[in-house]
Amino acid sequence: ETGVTQSPTHLIKTRGQQVTLRCSSQSGHNTVSWYQQALGQGPQFIFQYYREEENGRGNFPPRFSGLQFPNYSSELNVNALELDDSALYLCASTPDRLNTEAFFGQGTRLTVV
Amino acid sequence: AQTVTQSQPEMSVQEAETVTLSCTYDTSENNYYLFWYKQPPSRQMILVIRQEAYKQQNATENRFSVNFQKAAKSFSLKISDSQLGDTAMYFCAFMILGSSNTGKLIFGQGTTLQVKP
Repeated sequence: ETGVTQSPTHLIKTRGQQVTLRCSSQSGHNTVSWYQQALGQGPQFIFQYYREEENGRGNFPPRFSGLQFPNYSSELNVNALELDDSALYLCASTPDRLNTEAFFGQGTRLTVV
Repeated sequence: AQTVTQSQPEMSVQEAETVTLSCTYDTSENNYYLFWYKQPPSRQMILVIRQEAYKQQNATENRFSVNFQKAAKSFSLKISDSQLGDTAMYFCAFMILGSSNTGKLIFGQGTTLQVKP
């Protein structure tokens, strides 16, 4: 167990809806990154949050947005869901933004129908 | 472009034997880390081993070791004395160091490893 928890574990949404995924980072970690992992593929970096501000973003459209709270937990929001958004969403926390040791949660499996 | 390529989609090995997973990467940067992650059916990504690019000595962690060839941009993982619990998907990844990039892991497509009894 890494101490990083994600909720919910599974989720089914309809195309066009909005979804919020949650991540509680490991105690003492102030940096959270989000990844999208399509079935049979490697994870793709969505964005990173450091001390409540976005600190780097991958090649994802603006309908993917996030938040980080004062306790360093984080949310990933996706608007106007598309079928291709179906994937495993992984959250990873690190002690700070310059630290390379990332601890991953178990992920949220999102299915868009 | 920064990419990671794992050319072996699937591999299998007999229990107690040795297996090597291949990985090549492409970057023009000099300061980076390389990683191997394991993802079992439980889905949680677990760090197996990490290598700093500036270190010539290959990293080892118990039964896991790497062969890091910086000039060739190659980073293979050797698993010795394979165990049934090693069955998982293995991802090679790297991270460029720098305040705007640290934390951004670039992953390969993965290699599914099955350890047979």
